[in-house]
Amino acid sequence: AQSVAQPEDQVNVAEGNPLTVKCTYSVSGNPYLFWYVQYPNRGLQFLLKYITGDNLVKGSYGFEAEFNKSQTSFHLKKPSALVSDSALYFCAVRSPGGSGTYKYIFGTGTRLKVLA
Amino acid sequence: GAGVSQSPSNKVTEKGKDVELRCDPISGHTALYWYRQRLGQGLEFLIYFQGNSAPDKSGLPSDRFSAERTGESVSTLTIQRTQQEDSAVYLCASSYTGVGTEAFFGQGTRLTVV
Repeated sequence: AQSVAQPEDQVNVAEGNPLTVKCTYSVSGNPYLFWYVQYPNRGLQFLLKYITGDNLVKGSYGFEAEFNKSQTSFHLKKPSALVSDSALYFCAVRSPGGSGTYKYIFGTGTRLKVLA
Repeated sequence: GAGVSQSPSNKVTEKGKDVELRCDPISGHTALYWYRQRLGQGLEFLIYFQGNSAPDKSGLPSDRFSAERTGESVSTLTIQRTQQEDSAVYLCASSYTGVGTEAFFGQGTRLTVV
């Protein structure tokens, strides 16, 4: 079965420091991987995705993610954290369902808290 | 419209009543998804529509839950005989067909069963 894991419920980082939010995946074929961010009382916003090609993917708001096939990971990173980055972050993998359709499977989420 | 639109934004209902939640996807998006998010929890897949294919209903938690979609337009999620455990935010998303495309989410409907 396809799955994605976010091992940390919460990550705390000081403003200006680099941040990493971890994600590992399990798929039977090629992975299609996504990161989303959820601000309080809001829906999810797309940040970035990995489909194929360069292992380092750049996305919105200065975020990037590194795809590592050997470690089956897709960690989200940012060189310098901002207080405004504090939010709930979800990793997702797109997985084939019935009749060849594809649904997104989400991790449990990691709450990022950036301290001033 | 410019984004995925969900209505109502908030719904309070009495236990045992039926509720209907509406999702209006982004124009041109063939795929539509419903997820449930309980307070402080992750996203729980409910159902997925893709064009004219049979929907993937594998995430519906019980036969009290059903959803419909007319063509590639509006979808409604119906919960019959609501229970307190149905209280959650119900999120709708839509996307293009390609497997590498990202989904765009609505703001959600916050359902409270009292």
